[in-house]
Amino acid sequence: DVKVTQSSRYLVKRTGEKVFLECVQDMDHENMFWYRQDPGLGLRLIYFSYDVKMKEKGDIPEGYSVSREKKERFSLILESASTNQTSMYLCASSWGQTSNQPQHFGDGTRLSIL
Amino acid sequence: AQSVAQPEDQVNVAEGNPLTVKCTYSVSGNPYLFWYVQYPNRGLQFLLKYITGDNLVKGSYGFEAEFNKSQTSFHLKKPSALVSDSALYFCAVRDYSGAGSYQLTFGKGTKLSVIP
Repeated sequence: DVKVTQSSRYLVKRTGEKVFLECVQDMDHENMFWYRQDPGLGLRLIYFSYDVKMKEKGDIPEGYSVSREKKERFSLILESASTNQTSMYLCASSWGQTSNQPQHFGDGTRLSIL
Repeated sequence: AQSVAQPEDQVNVAEGNPLTVKCTYSVSGNPYLFWYVQYPNRGLQFLLKYITGDNLVKGSYGFEAEFNKSQTSFHLKKPSALVSDSALYFCAVRDYSGAGSYQLTFGKGTKLSVIP
């Protein structure tokens, strides 16, 4: 089974802090994604990566950056955390260069910014 | 641009009755369609997908979905609901433009409650 592991299930940080969310997948997937999930808004794509050192902006990249130095690891960075970034963050990965493969999700990080 | 709508925020169904969770989509080309389920405090789990071929797609846990191109719909169905099916369900679409589009667009989710 594909395993996508997010380093923290719950995280509490303060306004202005730099926050790192880590995600690791064990299936050698090319593609990795970061979403945030908010009630009533569904999932919104922040950034994705289809190869090492490659990244593409999603729908809501403002206030975030990402890093993919190794194929299995995709990090989301909140440069200066703000209260409106309190949310559930979901990492996902998928295989291949075609777009018909399902994404596999981690269990999420519930981030609170105080 | 691609979009997906789940018109019902919540669906209630009695245990043992058939269930339907609705999804409509909009794409400029051909769609790839997916259903995911999310249990409390967990990530999304893949249920099934439509790529091409037979309009009736069977997936995990007894779920199936019917692709209807004329109505641009991809409704999720199950003949007999279980209490354990209670969860949040997401429909997602990707427009297959042939150029390797990676972005998946999700609906806002439908909360399914199965009443014992």
